[in-house]
Amino acid sequence: EAQVTQNPRYLITVTGKKLTVTCSQNMNHEYMSWYRQDPGLGLRQIYYSMNVEVTDKGDVPEGYKVSRKEKRNFPLILESPSPNQTSLYFCASSLTDSNQPQHFGDGTRLSIL
Amino acid sequence: AQSVTQLGSHVSVSEGALVLLRCNYSSSVPPYLFWYVQYPNQGLQLLLKYTSAATLVKGINGFEAEFKKSETSFHLTKPSAHMSDAAEYFCAVAGGTSYGKLTFGQGTILTVHP
Repeated sequence: EAQVTQNPRYLITVTGKKLTVTCSQNMNHEYMSWYRQDPGLGLRQIYYSMNVEVTDKGDVPEGYKVSRKEKRNFPLILESPSPNQTSLYFCASSLTDSNQPQHFGDGTRLSIL
Repeated sequence: AQSVTQLGSHVSVSEGALVLLRCNYSSSVPPYLFWYVQYPNQGLQLLLKYTSAATLVKGINGFEAEFKKSETSFHLTKPSAHMSDAAEYFCAVAGGTSYGKLTFGQGTILTVHP
């Protein structure tokens, strides 16, 4: 089954404790992206990747890092999480770029205390 | 920079009534436009997309959207609402000068009353 898998689905942690949210897709997609969803703000793009070893900033990249060492994986790293990063996070992928329909994961709800 | 504005954060309709969700966009180049739906505790699913082939785009579940360049709009409609349509809907734009970027609107929560 074609899917985008995020882990963990839920995480409660404390300020400053490094964490990684994993994202994996099994569709051989070139394009992957991370978003955060906050009430009233819709989804905002954090980072995207056009292919392996190619990443670029979205609209809200501050406080986040990403890497794309393999085509299928695109982890999101919070090196020193802060409470304002409490949010619902989505990973998505598409065949080539943002002009194609995106396949979304089920989301990761992060709470940073 | 590209942007999307969805007019109305909440829309409430009766079952069987017309659904109209409004979306206006800003883009410096011909845009790629999308509508996505999000059901509670789920990720987003594609409803439909506009890629300049036709101004009236039909999607899944009876939804359609019309691209109007003069109004920079891409409103989503459905002739007759079902209870199962209750969800949050997002309009999104891509294809601007920021290649690779995808910009979403703020979302519209649709409530359907029996």
